[in-house]
Amino acid sequence: AQTVTQSQPEMSVQEAETVTLSCTYDTSESDYYLFWYKQPPSRQMILVIRQEAYKQQNATENRFSVNFQKAAKSFSLKISDSQLGDAAMYFCAYRPTLLIISSGSARQLTFGSGTQLTVLP
Amino acid sequence: GAVVSQHPSWVICKSGTSVKIECRSLDFQATTMFWYRQFPKQSLMLMATSNEGSKATYEQGVEKDKFLINHASLTLSTLTVTSAHPEDSSFYICSAPEGGGLTQYFGPGTRLTVL
Repeated sequence: AQTVTQSQPEMSVQEAETVTLSCTYDTSESDYYLFWYKQPPSRQMILVIRQEAYKQQNATENRFSVNFQKAAKSFSLKISDSQLGDAAMYFCAYRPTLLIISSGSARQLTFGSGTQLTVLP
Repeated sequence: GAVVSQHPSWVICKSGTSVKIECRSLDFQATTMFWYRQFPKQSLMLMATSNEGSKATYEQGVEKDKFLINHASLTLSTLTVTSAHPEDSSFYICSAPEGGGLTQYFGPGTRLTVL
């Protein structure tokens, strides 16, 4: 079974600074997807960024970028120029590709335990 | 992005009553929807996979007679918490994969408080 580990329960960053959230995962599959989701105080889950395992290039979405190290099974999230609105719980998530398994259960996400990010003004 | 709604957003009920939570995909069809439970400051725990036109698949340890799931159409799944007890108080979230399922969209969640 796949597991996702976030070893930092809490992190803080000064506004306008850069912070990196760590995530490691374990899988025997060679193709899969990795995600970072953000859950602000409203508790609405918001997709931050997505990485396909077959792509060597790290995904980037504006101030958010990832460092995907497939061999090390590491998937960290870097937030640049941190803003007060970035304060939230961040979850790393794994999902196998549909090409491997076609059942509905293959579409489910395995989440890490989350990292609570505080942005200091 | 796609939109998933949940209703109600907050419900308070008496112990022993049943509560129904709706999850709707507003601008896409979803043959599969997922139901999660989340305790404060914890991660999302998958409860069950809702399949349109067939029985739901429950995760180990989740009582299917306690948490009834119905996926009657391609845009609606319901979770009914039967004979609710205070320990069922939690935050319930649904999600649905759009199209090929690459990205899941989450509902805003339902806070259930059982007195």
